[in-house]
Amino acid sequence: SAVISQKPSRDICQRGTSLTIQCQVDSQVTMMFWYRQQPGQSLTLIATANQGSEATYESGFVIDKFPISRPNLTFSTLTVSNMSPEDSSIYLCSARGQEQFFGPGTRLTVL
Amino acid sequence: QKEVEQNSGPLSVPEGAIASLNCTYSDRGSQSFFWYRQYSGKSPELIMSIYSNGDKEDGRFTAQLNKASQYVSLLIRDSQPSDSATYLCAVLSGNTGKLIFGQGTTLQVKP
Repeated sequence: SAVISQKPSRDICQRGTSLTIQCQVDSQVTMMFWYRQQPGQSLTLIATANQGSEATYESGFVIDKFPISRPNLTFSTLTVSNMSPEDSSIYLCSARGQEQFFGPGTRLTVL
Repeated sequence: QKEVEQNSGPLSVPEGAIASLNCTYSDRGSQSFFWYRQYSGKSPELIMSIYSNGDKEDGRFTAQLNKASQYVSLLIRDSQPSDSATYLCAVLSGNTGKLIFGQGTTLQVKP
């Protein structure tokens, strides 16, 4: 199984600012994803991070708000831009080889 | 109809009993099925994967798959209070290649 780390584990940010979350996988994986999970809710896929090209976003999520990079097979970043309190959530990095695993998550609070 | 459906629960069972968690899915082209366990405040942890009709056992966990009925289940034998968590059913879509999650079933194991 892949071991996934995320930084930061949590942050409290002011409205209008941006936060970049980093995700590192300990082995090369074919696919990386970013999810959001609101309290008491299931997982919502934000986008698929594509190596060396633009991410593929799900309906309701746009690149200007959630820019994503994936410069190589083991690393990706998600930026939450121009944050509002509605962006308060847990953001999860995920990676798939044959099976799909999740990082520990980043708990974001926007004031 | 949701793509992956689970009873949200809570499902309450006494310690030592068998907990039965159920999931139905709509995409007949799906070939890969997963169960994740998520403790409160933690990220999802993969506990079982199943790809063929029938049963797959791993310790106290048994996953069951019936593709004709589009049904997958997870049995937990000798339930322990430490099994108390939310269990997420996930189906790999044959159309999109994305993991589709159910809403999760909350399991409570009472001592």
